[in-house]
Amino acid sequence: DGGITQSPKYLFRKEGQNVTLSCEQNLNHDAMYWYRQDPGQGLRLIYYSQIVNDFQKGDIAEGYSVSREKKESFPLTVTSAQKNPTAFYLCASAQGQASNQPQHFGDGTRLSIL
Amino acid sequence: GDSVTQMEGPVTLSEEAFLTINCTYTATGYPSLFWYVQYPGEGLQLLLKATKADDKGSNKGFEATYRKETTSFHLEKGSVQVSDSAVYFCALSYGGSQGNLIFGKGTKLSVKP
Repeated sequence: DGGITQSPKYLFRKEGQNVTLSCEQNLNHDAMYWYRQDPGQGLRLIYYSQIVNDFQKGDIAEGYSVSREKKESFPLTVTSAQKNPTAFYLCASAQGQASNQPQHFGDGTRLSIL
Repeated sequence: GDSVTQMEGPVTLSEEAFLTINCTYTATGYPSLFWYVQYPGEGLQLLLKATKADDKGSNKGFEATYRKETTSFHLEKGSVQVSDSAVYFCALSYGGSQGNLIFGKGTKLSVKP
């Protein structure tokens, strides 16, 4: 079955540590996105990528980094510069740039601070 | 800037009750509109969409009509079930070079048997 796989499901970060969240898709989608979800806040865009080897900052990119070396993979690193990383992180992908293309979401990674 | 406003929850209904979740948007152009649903501990699933004014999206008994004149996209269902308990998100997108979704804050629905 085609879909988006995020791992791990739960992740704990120690003070000063960088952690990387995995996102893999086998939908052959060009566009991929990372969102952060906080209670009562809805989803906010961290980074997005429309094509391999290219990515752009979203609304809350500070303290995060990404790479897009392969079409199917878009890992997110939460760096020690992100002072409030506790949240639910969602990865999504979409077929193209048309406005009517829905995004497909993974099941998320919940990040907590030790 | 563009934004989406949803009615605040939580919304608690009895099984077989009628559901309305209000969603209004502010947009500088002509976006597509979406409803997504999130079950506990999971990611978001597309529930329905509408791409232009007066379009009606429907799926699993849920409906929403793209109303340009009132900038609204209210979600309705005639008879809810316990299994509909979830968080519902209204969102808009222009596509294009960014293509991201702009979300409302979500409305939590609880359906009691």
